[in-house]
Amino acid sequence: GESVGLHLPTLSVQEGDNSIINCAYSNSASDYFIWYKQESGKGPQFIIDIRSNMDKRQGQRVTVLLNKTVKHLSLQIAATQPGDSAVYFCAENVRGGRQGGKLIFGQGTELSVKP
Amino acid sequence: KAGVTQTPRYLIKTRGQQVTLSCSPISGHRSVSWYQQTPGQGLQFLFEYFSETQRNKGNFPGRFSGRQFSNSRSEMNVSTLELGDSALYLCASSLEPADSNQPQHFGDGTRLSIL
Repeated sequence: GESVGLHLPTLSVQEGDNSIINCAYSNSASDYFIWYKQESGKGPQFIIDIRSNMDKRQGQRVTVLLNKTVKHLSLQIAATQPGDSAVYFCAENVRGGRQGGKLIFGQGTELSVKP
Repeated sequence: KAGVTQTPRYLIKTRGQQVTLSCSPISGHRSVSWYQQTPGQGLQFLFEYFSETQRNKGNFPGRFSGRQFSNSRSEMNVSTLELGDSALYLCASSLEPADSNQPQHFGDGTRLSIL
């Protein structure tokens, strides 16, 4: 069925290290992707997005890489901080048959940052 | 700028009852989408509204319905509640329709518990 899957459900890193979270998506027609961060008791928070005409996009301490050939996304977080501890979701935007769109989310990766 | 506001934050109902959840989008945003989040199924798309019209619908039974008002505020209704409807219900808004590849921003959700 429809799915956007994450390779690793949990990731533990040392404070100050770089983190890499991976994601595989299933719909080759998808042309827009978003990474979200969800902290306990809160809704998903937008981190960064990328369109399919790009293979890399950088934000503040974050970089998203898109490999359309193998349908793979990654989120890189530089100098990971304790405040980065959360569950991270990738999502692909799938267009409806005639109109509308929807986000299909991966299962999420829990990032734990050790001080 | 205020974010997406969802009310109530918590709700407890019993089987067979019905419930209405409310969502106020970010000012100026005209698209509202609803998602259900559960530990077992993750984040799943319910429906999307733009200019008071439902543009897309997910694979949920007809007990789940929604609407959008002229001020872009949205409500979703679940009738004949079942135990399996216990979940976090999230609302997301964006400037343009979901298929225009713009980021969707989420509220903190309504936690619905069915007894």
